Amino acid sequence: AQSVTQLGSHVSVSEGALVLLRCNYSSSVPPYLFWYVQYPNQGLQLLLKYTTGATLVKGINGFEAEFKKSETSFHLTKPSAHMSDAAEYFCAVRGPYSGAGSYQLTFGKGTKLSVIP
Amino acid sequence: SQTIHQWPATLVQPVGSPLSLECTVEGTSNPNLYWYRQAAGRGLQLLFYSVGIGQISSEVPQNLSASRPQDRQFILSSKKLLLSDSGFYLCAWSIYRDSLSYNEQFFGPGTRLTVL
Repeated sequence: AQSVTQLGSHVSVSEGALVLLRCNYSSSVPPYLFWYVQYPNQGLQLLLKYTTGATLVKGINGFEAEFKKSETSFHLTKPSAHMSDAAEYFCAVRGPYSGAGSYQLTFGKGTKLSVIP
Repeated sequence: SQTIHQWPATLVQPVGSPLSLECTVEGTSNPNLYWYRQAAGRGLQLLFYSVGIGQISSEVPQNLSASRPQDRQFILSSKKLLLSDSGFYLCAWSIYRDSLSYNEQFFGPGTRLTVL
């Protein structure tokens, strides 16, 4: 079975400061991991994904995430926060199996990022 | 390129009234389709998913139902809305092509439903 834990439902950072959003996962198979961003009253947008290969993955808007198997973690970072980064962020792991070769995604509960000017 | 549409964008309905939300995907064929609900402070809840026409799987027993009358059309319905049905409804699609497919999902813009 798969599960995702996002530590901290709310995170506040100052503009220009480091952004660190934490995600830990549980998966019975090699994980595929995703980060999504949701701006108010909009759908979710894929930020980045890890499948196989390089453990440091770069995404849109200057975000990156590092897959650490030993820690079962996939934390999201950005060196310098912008006001436009204020949004809710969701971590997800592939699974469970849906049938016909397809998988659902299991989402964390989300972390709301506030950026203080 | 692929796009996903949802309508209406916002909806205010009285308790006990029916509901129909529509989702369509363009630019791909045979997608997997999903309905999610976001209630205030409760994260994403998967309601239904479909891997093909007429194939619907329900994740949560409730007064909602889903149908997929065409390959790229997914409809969420209710015969009688409850106050607890209020929320933000999201449709999403993904593709399975081969064993290397990553199954990432792509989301529509959502429908804000308020039941009064």
